[in-house]
Amino acid sequence: DTGVSQNPRHKITKRGQNVTFRCDPISEHNRLYWYRQTLGQGPEFLTYFQNEAQLEKSRLLSDRFSAERPKGSFSTLEIQRTEQGDSAMYLCASSSTARGLGYGYTFGSGTRLTVV
Amino acid sequence: QKEVEQNSGPLSVPEGAIASLNCTYSDRGSQSFFWYRQYSGKSPELIMFIYSNGDKEDGRFTAQLNKASQYVSLLIRDSQPSDSATYLCAVHNSGYSTLTFGKGTMLLVSP
Repeated sequence: DTGVSQNPRHKITKRGQNVTFRCDPISEHNRLYWYRQTLGQGPEFLTYFQNEAQLEKSRLLSDRFSAERPKGSFSTLEIQRTEQGDSAMYLCASSSTARGLGYGYTFGSGTRLTVV
Repeated sequence: QKEVEQNSGPLSVPEGAIASLNCTYSDRGSQSFFWYRQYSGKSPELIMFIYSNGDKEDGRFTAQLNKASQYVSLLIRDSQPSDSATYLCAVHNSGYSTLTFGKGTMLLVSP
């Protein structure tokens, strides 16, 4: 169990540029979640996948955001035309339906995005 | 809108004291409840979960759940400076497959 891996750890980008983040979940976990966290706030849900299917998206997820999990393993989160308000920590988490959500998520280390 | 409320703090306690962290939630159908610890600049780390009314103990940590009052708490006994962190309460809402988090309570344990 190598944990949830996220890359890059930090990303600084200019406003208007596109960015892509990657998440590799724990290998036996079939559910993968993306959350966003700003300073002084708790994590806010963005979207989640069960295997390769994207089952739920938050209303927070504007059209500039897209997420994929093409083979049910790693996932990518892309933000197009970044805005300063996108600056946040982007957290990926995974869980297993075999264990049930009653056991919670395991989070990755996060990707800190700064839009300048 | 499913809500999870926490006092943002900071809650300051001396080393060795009991720290009591509280959380209320709006969805009566909520099934499972979690406490995560988050050190500054780091990601959340699961420390406790509970889904039955009453107390659940794990080492120095005790989670308490009262579904009638829609209230969850976390007690930390013999608090240590290394316990200084933000504690996030999270709730698994009925009908959803995701967790809703509160804003977190910052705990400061002074030596």
